[in-house]
Amino acid sequence: EAGVAQSPRYKIIEKRQSVAFWCNPISGHATLYWYQQILGQGPKLLIQFQNNGVVDDSQLPKDRFSAERLKGVDSTLKIQPAKLEDSAVYLCASSLPQRGLATEQFFGPGTRLTVL
Amino acid sequence: KNEVEQSPQNLTAQEGEFITINCSYSVGISALHWLQQHPGGGIVSLFMLSSGKKKHGRLIATINIQEKHSSLHITASHPRDSAVYICAGGGATNKLIFGTGTLLAVQP
Repeated sequence: EAGVAQSPRYKIIEKRQSVAFWCNPISGHATLYWYQQILGQGPKLLIQFQNNGVVDDSQLPKDRFSAERLKGVDSTLKIQPAKLEDSAVYLCASSLPQRGLATEQFFGPGTRLTVL
Repeated sequence: KNEVEQSPQNLTAQEGEFITINCSYSVGISALHWLQQHPGGGIVSLFMLSSGKKKHGRLIATINIQEKHSSLHITASHPRDSAVYICAGGGATNKLIFGTGTLLAVQP
């Protein structure tokens, strides 16, 4: 079974530029998550999708971050414009939906973003 | 205050030693996840448990619901076990609350 795919693996940009990350979850996984992990810290949930609907985006900086999952499968996360503090690893994860129950999440390899 | 507290933050062990990492969590968390992250690597899910005990190879995870406490044990530790181990609490929406992680170094 293929795992969660992410691209690119690494990205270096200058501040005020735009960047986009792509994620393809495990086939059949209706729930998709984007996390931001700053060096030395634990992951922070940015947004959670159930199919193509947003479940939780309370910690997404909406003035500069956006995410979509138009067909309920793959997803893109965009930052526009980027700031120095956005330097982090962006992790995508997916899980099977189980109403009212916690389920295991499967993580992709992440995209390491460096903003100069 | 984080709703998931993990200890120790750093742990150094000699190869072959038995290792324990502890995690305490607050009300509202119905499942506890143990994750492994190698330096520069992605996150691998080791266990998800809501009760009792799970075992996979040399790894054992236990949870005490009444005390809201979970432990991850590694038997016969090996240098390749060196990684960051993260516990995370999940609820009905599956949103994870992460602990600060334990950096484990197993020396040969």
